[in-house]
Amino acid sequence: DGGITQSPKYLFRKEGQNVTLSCEQNLNHDAMYWYRQDPGQGLRLIYYSQIVNDFQKGDIAEGYSVSREKKESFPLTVTSAQKNPTAFYLCASSISWTAAGEKLFFGSGTQLSVL
Amino acid sequence: AQSVAQPEDQVNVAEGNPLTVKCTYSVSGNPYLFWYVQYPNRGLQFLLKYITGDNLVKGSYGFEAEFNKSQTSFHLKKPSALVSDSALYFCAVRGNTGGFKTIFGAGTRLFVKA
Repeated sequence: DGGITQSPKYLFRKEGQNVTLSCEQNLNHDAMYWYRQDPGQGLRLIYYSQIVNDFQKGDIAEGYSVSREKKESFPLTVTSAQKNPTAFYLCASSISWTAAGEKLFFGSGTQLSVL
Repeated sequence: AQSVAQPEDQVNVAEGNPLTVKCTYSVSGNPYLFWYVQYPNRGLQFLLKYITGDNLVKGSYGFEAEFNKSQTSFHLKKPSALVSDSALYFCAVRGNTGGFKTIFGAGTRLFVKA
């Protein structure tokens, strides 16, 4: 089945620790995205990548980092600089950044909590 | 700047009754409008989209949405609600000038009572 796989499903972070969330897609999509979901706030864009080896900051990039070394992979690192990391993180992809009429495909999400 | 508003945090409806989940938007140029649904602890699933053409768009699971340009609205509707429709619904807008980010509303929780 084609789709987006996020792992782990649940993740716990200790004080001062960096953690990495995995996102893999086999849809052959050029564009990939990371969103953060907090109750009552909808989805906020953290980072996006239009194509492999390229990525840009979204609306709330502080305390996060990403890489896009392979077309199918877009991992997100939550650094110790992110002081309020507890949230549900969603990875998404679309055929291309400029295909504005195309829908987003989402993974099942990772719930990150602070110990 | 693009924005989306979902004025209701929660909508309650009895099974078998029609349902409406409201959405208004603001975007430069022609809007691309979407509805997504989220079940507990899951990612979002696409329901339907408006790009151009007929103002009434039909989507998955019997849902439809009506695009109203003068009122800048894109309300989600279903003629007869099911208990299984209970979920969190997100309206989203994507502009086609000056950037292609998808902006999401805060979400509306739909509760369908048997």
